[in-house]
Amino acid sequence: QVQLVESGGGVVQPGGSLRLSCAASGFTFSGYGMHWVRQAPGKGLEWVAFIRYDGSNKFYGDSVKGRFAISRDNSNNTLFLQMNSLRGEDTAVYYCAKDYGSGSLPDFWGQGTLVTVSS
Amino acid sequence: SSELTQDPAVSVALGQTVRITCQGDSLRIYYASWYQQKPGQAPILVIYGKNSRPSGIPDRFSGSSSGITASLTITGAQAEDEADYYCNSRDSSGNHHVFGIGTKVTVL
Repeated sequence: QVQLVESGGGVVQPGGSLRLSCAASGFTFSGYGMHWVRQAPGKGLEWVAFIRYDGSNKFYGDSVKGRFAISRDNSNNTLFLQMNSLRGEDTAVYYCAKDYGSGSLPDFWGQGTLVTVSS
Repeated sequence: SSELTQDPAVSVALGQTVRITCQGDSLRIYYASWYQQKPGQAPILVIYGKNSRPSGIPDRFSGSSSGITASLTITGAQAEDEADYYCNSRDSSGNHHVFGIGTKVTVL
């Protein structure tokens, strides 16, 4: 069965950096695109980034473009999100999600990891 | 980027039918997908494509679309269907995604 396990969340000061990881299993990781989606406390879902199955294309939401970088290691079935220049409004639970196919939609989600940006 | 509009909340009597709508220009081009999220849990995909359900999703959940409006219908709502429901679609560029604000469904 598909399993996605996020890690790397924690408390970071404004302006700081953090790297999230998402360990994937139960499917052929190298054959699927992957998303990051976040949810601020008490708020709705916000799409953050997408990477194609082979890493050839990456797309970002307007609020994180230029500060966040999505990447993947297909040999180790792991997805990453490098977050730089963090702001208070980046405080959220970050979910990784497998894509259904061709960048169409996130279909299976991990349980998320909490990032808190605070001094 | 595109926006998807949802009503913030809706209520339904136990066993009755409720329709949740999602509006956005990108829905002329792309189908919406629908996610159920219960407190403290990750979202779960319930409807995608024209009207497809992932394995394990009850058939009381169905989807439809017309013009710029996509709909999720729960026919015979159960207590366990009380949750937040989010629509999602690609934007007009096809490379980005956008979520609606979510609709809180209360089963009375």
